[in-house]
Amino acid sequence: QKEVEQDPGPLSVPEGAIVSLNCTYSNSAFQYFMWYRQYSRKGPELLMYTYSSGNKEDGRFTAQVDKSSKYISLFIRDSQPSDSATYLCAGDMRFGAGTRLTVKP
Amino acid sequence: DSGVTQTPKHLITATGQRVTLRCSPRSGDLSVYWYQQSLDQGLQFLIQYYNGEERAKGNILERFSAQQFPDLHSELNLSSLELGDSALYFCASSVEGMNTEAFFGQGTRLTVV
Repeated sequence: QKEVEQDPGPLSVPEGAIVSLNCTYSNSAFQYFMWYRQYSRKGPELLMYTYSSGNKEDGRFTAQVDKSSKYISLFIRDSQPSDSATYLCAGDMRFGAGTRLTVKP
Repeated sequence: DSGVTQTPKHLITATGQRVTLRCSPRSGDLSVYWYQQSLDQGLQFLIQYYNGEERAKGNILERFSAQQFPDLHSELNLSSLELGDSALYFCASSVEGMNTEAFFGQGTRLTVV
């Protein structure tokens, strides 16, 4: 069993939609949770970084962690075509498979 | 630019050969992580070093080895290469361990022919 499970998609949404990306993890020892964005197999860019359970907001992006259910979420509001990328979730630098998102104009 | 430098950017080599990939972390970062990303796959954690010492090991093959030098740069050595080793290899660095943000380099694309 992988430590972090993530639906690879692909996910396609119209511009302006709210996007919900989700992961589950199995290792209850994880304390630090991250979301990275990767364009066309370039180096992943750090989007959001949270410690333990709770919410964190940064502009159009909101990250949520629920340690009781081992669930990690990323919400993107007012999605833009430039948000089209692969989104990778991680717990303690152990990554899911990534979800490929396309935002259509 | 994340400040993490990986060389070379591209590498083509034959089966059975040995290659060395290099990673220079961001200035001040003590921790280096190595990942393998095959086509349409996520990032597979290989190994982590912190200030010269191995901190954590993932699914790293016995044919692969790594080290972190006193100047904190790191090298990943891949030997007896097989076609299936063709992948992107990324390194990331962070100030400390997993409790701080990590930043990735642009990767080394390895092709084994």
